[in-house]
Amino acid sequence: GENVEQHPSTLSVQEGDSAVIKCTYSDSASNYFPWYKQELGKGPQLIIDIRSNVGEKKDQRIAVTLNKTAKHFSLHITETQPEDSAVYFCAASIGTSYDKVIFGPGTSLSVIP
Amino acid sequence: GAVVSQHPSRVICKSGTSVKIECRSLDFQATTMFWYRQFPKQSLMLMATSNEGSKATYEQGVEKDKFLINHASLTLSTLTVTSAHPEDSSFYICSASKPSDTQYFGPGTRLTVL
Repeated sequence: GENVEQHPSTLSVQEGDSAVIKCTYSDSASNYFPWYKQELGKGPQLIIDIRSNVGEKKDQRIAVTLNKTAKHFSLHITETQPEDSAVYFCAASIGTSYDKVIFGPGTSLSVIP
Repeated sequence: GAVVSQHPSRVICKSGTSVKIECRSLDFQATTMFWYRQFPKQSLMLMATSNEGSKATYEQGVEKDKFLINHASLTLSTLTVTSAHPEDSSFYICSASKPSDTQYFGPGTRLTVL
């Protein structure tokens, strides 16, 4: 079955710096890769996603890259702000479904003012 | 669009009682709903998948008689934790999706069993 690994588990950056979180997946059939932000005590919120027919997607300060050959994808946050502090989860679809996914273990991001 | 609500947000109950958690898709019809469990500082663990009008599909290791799921309509799914015990204390999160679309998550329910 699908297995998703995520690194680092914790990340501290200075406000204004960039943050990068990397994930790898095992199922070559996976074709959908969402990223979620979870604040303490709240449900996950979809922040960006990418489908396997593109290599990169950007939305303001957030970008995601995908390397299907190597089976890894990354989240890039530029010009980080204190409100970016949260736990970030990557996920990979189980096969070609868009809704059923496997989550990575999460990265706790702290942005230091 | 794509708003999912959960009720209650927090619940405290005594050991041995049953607790029902509701999950509603507010502005779309959800063909599939998912229930997750999350322990502190851990990732989301899928418990079960439910489609409207049919029985839920439980993940390996999840007791279907303990965690009863009902998906009675395209906008409502319920999770009932039966005979709850302290080890059932956790953060329960639902999500909903429509065909060929991603999951949209609810805000979660914190269950504490005394």
